[in-house]
Amino acid sequence: EAGVTQSPTHLIKTRGQQATLRCSPISGHTSVYWYQQALGLGLQFLLWYDEGEERNRGNFPPRFSGRQFPNYSSELNVNALELEDSALYLCASNPRGPNEQFFGPGTRLTVL
Amino acid sequence: QKEVEQDPGPLSVPEGAIVSLNCTYSNSAFQYFMWYRQYSRKGPELLMYTYSSGNKEDGRFTAQVDKSSKYISLFIRDSQPSDSATYLCASVNSGNTPLVFGKGTRLSVIA
Repeated sequence: EAGVTQSPTHLIKTRGQQATLRCSPISGHTSVYWYQQALGLGLQFLLWYDEGEERNRGNFPPRFSGRQFPNYSSELNVNALELEDSALYLCASNPRGPNEQFFGPGTRLTVL
Repeated sequence: QKEVEQDPGPLSVPEGAIVSLNCTYSNSAFQYFMWYRQYSRKGPELLMYTYSSGNKEDGRFTAQVDKSSKYISLFIRDSQPSDSATYLCASVNSGNTPLVFGKGTRLSVIA
């Protein structure tokens, strides 16, 4: 069974640009979560999508947004990039009900 | 106070040692508790998943939850160099909600 996949692996942008990160959940999983893992800060919850709807968002500004497609894959968009947005962005999925979230390998975003 | 607290280490032990990793949490509503292992530059991998208080064993790994003291532990027996990684504890109160993570403890097992 294929795990959660994310693309691209690495992304380098400059301040003020926009970044788009993509995630494909495990087949049969309907919920997708996005987390930011910045150095020294641990994993911080960003966004949760289920059945195409945004269910919850963490304490991040509105320039962090996303969506979930009918096939349950998801996209995270970060507008007006700032230096402190440099981090590993992780996507996780789980089937409806259980709490076991399975993570992808992440996208490392570097903002110069 | 952060909802889940975890000593970041680093923790260095000789091969074969018993490792004890710990977290505390503040939210009494938390019911599900997980341990993830994260190798350098990789995504977290789910190791153990427990519901409410008690112990759960899987091979060399034992997860323990004490809800009365809001304490979560992971024990690794006969530790191996391949266990060298960052270990993250996480908690959540109900199904399909975001996990709350500790900051992770970096473990090195020296051969």
